Amino acid sequence: SQQGEEDPQALSIQEGENATMNCSYKTSINNLQWYRQNSGRGLVHLILIRSNEREKHSGRLRVTLDTSKKSSSLLITASRAADTASYFCATDNNTGGFKTIFGAGTRLFVKA
Amino acid sequence: DAGVIQSPRHEVTEMGQEVTLRCKPISGHNSLFWYRQTMMRGLELLIYFNNNVPIDDSGMPEDRFSAKMPNASFSTLKIQPSEPRDSAVYFCASSSFQGIGQPQHFGDGTRLSIL
Repeated sequence: SQQGEEDPQALSIQEGENATMNCSYKTSINNLQWYRQNSGRGLVHLILIRSNEREKHSGRLRVTLDTSKKSSSLLITASRAADTASYFCATDNNTGGFKTIFGAGTRLFVKA
Repeated sequence: DAGVIQSPRHEVTEMGQEVTLRCKPISGHNSLFWYRQTMMRGLELLIYFNNNVPIDDSGMPEDRFSAKMPNASFSTLKIQPSEPRDSAVYFCASSSFQGIGQPQHFGDGTRLSIL
């Protein structure tokens, strides 16, 4: 079963606008990661945020984590057509094993 | 540096045939993962290895699926016999350490179609 669930499932915006994607998860985590997948390609790691962190930045990306609500958000500022892709959150199973569970993803379309 | 290399990129075969997917992880990475991606089920972890040893194969759907990692630079995922419901994109990923939160590096996948 999926640990992380992204919201919305699909998002269409104009170039230059900000895009916000959300991820909710069910069990406690050690960290949460965001990945991007372009059509026909493998996933690419974007950013990792640990359970004791609340916010992290990387270029135009901003990730927040609220462990009390078991949720995270990914903000892409000043979006570009090249940001068109699917975005996945991934959490590590915190039950003693090591298993990264991916959500169903948000499909982002940025119109030029 | 070369990323994770998977072959073939595309495979079309008839049901009942044996299918072998191959993966070369990034040199120096000691954890390797096999995933399956479909529209209906998303990205599913099938099995992962650490230092060439299978650690968790609970995601392998049936006995028809098997995976091996004979050395640090090569892994195979085999389906025998294949069925139409095995059609999916299969990804291999590697990471530098079987630790919590290590980013995984994905290959570009094998798109498998079973007729």
